[in-house]
Amino acid sequence: DAGVTQSPTHLIKTRGQQVTLRCSPKSGHDTVSWYQQALGQGPQFIFQYYEEEERQRGNFPDRFSGHQFPNYSSELNVNALLLGDSALYLCASSPGTGLYNEQFFGPGTRLTVL
Amino acid sequence: AQSVAQPEDQVNVAEGNPLTVKCTYSVSGNPYLFWYVQYPNRGLQFLLKYITGDNLVKGSYGFEAEFNKSQTSFHLKKPSALVSDSALYFCAVSRGYQKVTFGTGTKLQVIP
Repeated sequence: DAGVTQSPTHLIKTRGQQVTLRCSPKSGHDTVSWYQQALGQGPQFIFQYYEEEERQRGNFPDRFSGHQFPNYSSELNVNALLLGDSALYLCASSPGTGLYNEQFFGPGTRLTVL
Repeated sequence: AQSVAQPEDQVNVAEGNPLTVKCTYSVSGNPYLFWYVQYPNRGLQFLLKYITGDNLVKGSYGFEAEFNKSQTSFHLKKPSALVSDSALYFCAVSRGYQKVTFGTGTKLQVIP
């Protein structure tokens, strides 16, 4: 079992650009959540996808959007990048949307915005 | 709104000594509580969770945590620390289908 995988590992963009991050969930998991972890901070919930729909959303602007595919993999898109978007982006998967389930995290994508 | 507080940025403990990493929470209703560990340049790994039942929860790698409803706390403990336990520890709270809220993390340093 490969666990949760994310790509790319690192990414450097400039302000105003757009970025797409990708995530494949752990085998058997159908729910994917995305988190932003700024340096020295805990992960901040961005949104959760289940059955190809956004089910919950944290306090992030519409510049952050996502998608889930029929095979449960997911993408996170960020438009009009700001310097403050520099962070580690974590994908987590779980079996179902109930957040009483533990989440399995990927290694993250380190995004640097210059 | 739900929240989690981890009052210590860093905890230092000698190898072989017991360790405690503190966590308090605020949520309406009954909480679901979690501890995760993060090693450098890695994602988070699940350690243990409290959903309901016994207040003492046992998890991976010899860790345990005690749920205290009256003090709204969920402290992480281990009887004997290992150098390999050195990492960043996050407490998290959720309530059913609500989003998970993480604390800011506590760096545990186990000194040989």
